[in-house]
Amino acid sequence: GEQVEQLPSILRVQEGSSASINCSYEDSASNYFPWYKQEPGENPKLIIDIRSNMERKQIQELIVLLDKKAKRFSLHITDTQPGDSAMYFCAASGGSGYNKLTFGKGTVLLVSP
Amino acid sequence: DPKIIQKPKYLVAVTGSEKILICEQYLGHNAMYWYRQSAKKPLEFMFSYSYQKLMDNQTASSRFQPQSSKKNHLDLQITALKPDDSATYFCASSQQGGNTEVFFGKGTRLTVV
Repeated sequence: GEQVEQLPSILRVQEGSSASINCSYEDSASNYFPWYKQEPGENPKLIIDIRSNMERKQIQELIVLLDKKAKRFSLHITDTQPGDSAMYFCAASGGSGYNKLTFGKGTVLLVSP
Repeated sequence: DPKIIQKPKYLVAVTGSEKILICEQYLGHNAMYWYRQSAKKPLEFMFSYSYQKLMDNQTASSRFQPQSSKKNHLDLQITALKPDDSATYFCASSQQGGNTEVFFGKGTRLTVV
């Protein structure tokens, strides 16, 4: 089945700087790549996603890049704020399984003032 | 105002007992899922249902049995509970079809003692 690797596991940045999280996947049939933000004690919430017919997508300060050839995708948060501090998960689906999301292990993002 | 209702929010069970986790969604979705999150593993796909039919089962143990009495219900019965079953169980849903946003409920935090 699909495997998703996510790095780094912990990311510390200063407020106003950029943060980048990288993921890689194995199944070339995967074609949907969402990113979820999860705050302590809360449910994961979708923040941005990208499909395999795109290489780049931006929603406000969030940028997602997809390199299908390398089977890598990444999330970039520009101008980070303390409110961006949370756990972030990348995921992949579209290969095996019905709507099955395979998640990375998560990245704890800590934005200090 | 949560559109995916999970009950109970917290659950403590004795080893060997049986529990049912309740999930109802009011998003009008036709596909529902169960995911599990523990300290040892990231968000882990368990089951997917579409129009009340099991589409995918990634749970090795038959102790976990989803039950769908209505289109917008997908409960999870867990028998012969073990301490290793301790985790937060998230119910999720999406529109029919692949590569669409998956919405997560608030979760049921299960502790097996």
